Order: sequence, then C-alpha cells, then structure tokens
Amino acid sequence: SQQGEEDPQALSIQEGENATMNCSYKTSINNLQWYRQNSGRGLVHLILIRSNEREKHSGRLRVTLDTSKKSSSLLITASRAADTASYFCAYDSGGSYIPTFGRGTSLIVHP
Amino acid sequence: GAVVSQHPSRVICKSGTSVKIECRSLDFQATTMFWYRQFPKQSLMLMATSNEGSKATYEQGVEKDKFLINHASLTLSTLTVTSAHPEDSSFYICSAPSGNQETQYFGPGTRLLVL
Repeated sequence: SQQGEEDPQALSIQEGENATMNCSYKTSINNLQWYRQNSGRGLVHLILIRSNEREKHSGRLRVTLDTSKKSSSLLITASRAADTASYFCAYDSGGSYIPTFGRGTSLIVHP
Repeated sequence: GAVVSQHPSRVICKSGTSVKIECRSLDFQATTMFWYRQFPKQSLMLMATSNEGSKATYEQGVEKDKFLINHASLTLSTLTVTSAHPEDSSFYICSAPSGNQETQYFGPGTRLLVL
C-alpha cells in the first residue's frame, strides 16, 4: 500500500503558538485518523474523521479533511511543551480497515 | 480506553538468537492483531496481520519463516524474530482494532537491538 505523505517532516515552534501538520494521500478513503507518538513509545489515537466529514474538533485539536484534494490537516492550538511528539495520519480505504500510515511530522514545542 | 501491552519493552540479543515478543489485549478480546516495524524517524510499516486460530497474513517482502507469528488465544499474539541479525534491530509495535474496527489500540512497543 502506498504510504501517505506528511509535511512538514519536522516543525519547531514556541509554546503558545499554533502547529499545523498536513497529510496527503492518493486513494479514496473511508476514514482518516491522526495519532501521536512520544519518543520510543506506542501510538495514541487522537481523532478520527470520516470521508463524509470536513472538520472535527477535540479540545485544542482541529482536523480538516478535503477529499477533493486528498488531504487532511491537524491543527494544535496554543501548543504546550508536552505536545512535543511525532504525529501520524493513517487512512483506510476500500474494503480494508487496516490503516496506512503517513511518514509523520516531528513536532518540537519549546517552553 | 482499551489497553494493549507488549513484553518485553526492550531486548538486546546476540546475532543468531531468536527473540519472542508478546502482545496482549488486557481488557478486551482481539481476534486480529497487527504487527508493525518502525525504524528511527520513520513511519510504521505493517509486517503482518495475526489471526486467532489461523495463519498470519504477511505483507509483501516480509519473510514468514523469519518472523513467526502465533495468535494462540483471543488476548495474545506473539512475534518471534528467528535467527536475528543486526538489520532486524528496530522498534516493533503491535495493535488491535477497536470493536467497530475504526481505530487501533497500540501497544507501547518493543525495542530490539541485535548485536
């Protein structure tokens, strides 16, 4: 399966700033999800957006989905040092619910 | 939320030895589990789908005789890296799908270092 693309690969910001990460894919999807991974740890599910949805919010997280552009974005508002982690998008398509992961964005939030 | 554990969290072994990694769903049953490999600063690559009571399904390019998977019960899947070599050093992560299969619950990962 083709891996999704994420940009930027790395993002360094100051605490309080917003962080935006983008994910692009090449197939039609059923769902797209965002996960977070702290260094050397497993993944934590953040938010799921379905193909018929355009925007979802969860706390300081805002996810958008543009199926015409085959892209999604994750916005973290008012970032904190504890948000430092890698963020991955993952999508499933067709009859498979097995997700394909993007390359990830490494976010560093400086206190 | 559901919890998936992995054991060990870290293992160092000599080249040529075999290493077994366990993945357990602690508070739910999982007829299917997934095994991923992640190299430093890279994404997760699906290695295989572990199926309870039947053979695992391996992704293209993954040697089934090298990465033995056994899904012996509804809460346990094991991955055995046989005759490990330094190039097998990686971070191995398992996951189990949620009840509606829309999301995955991930284990904390196992860091394997083959000397």
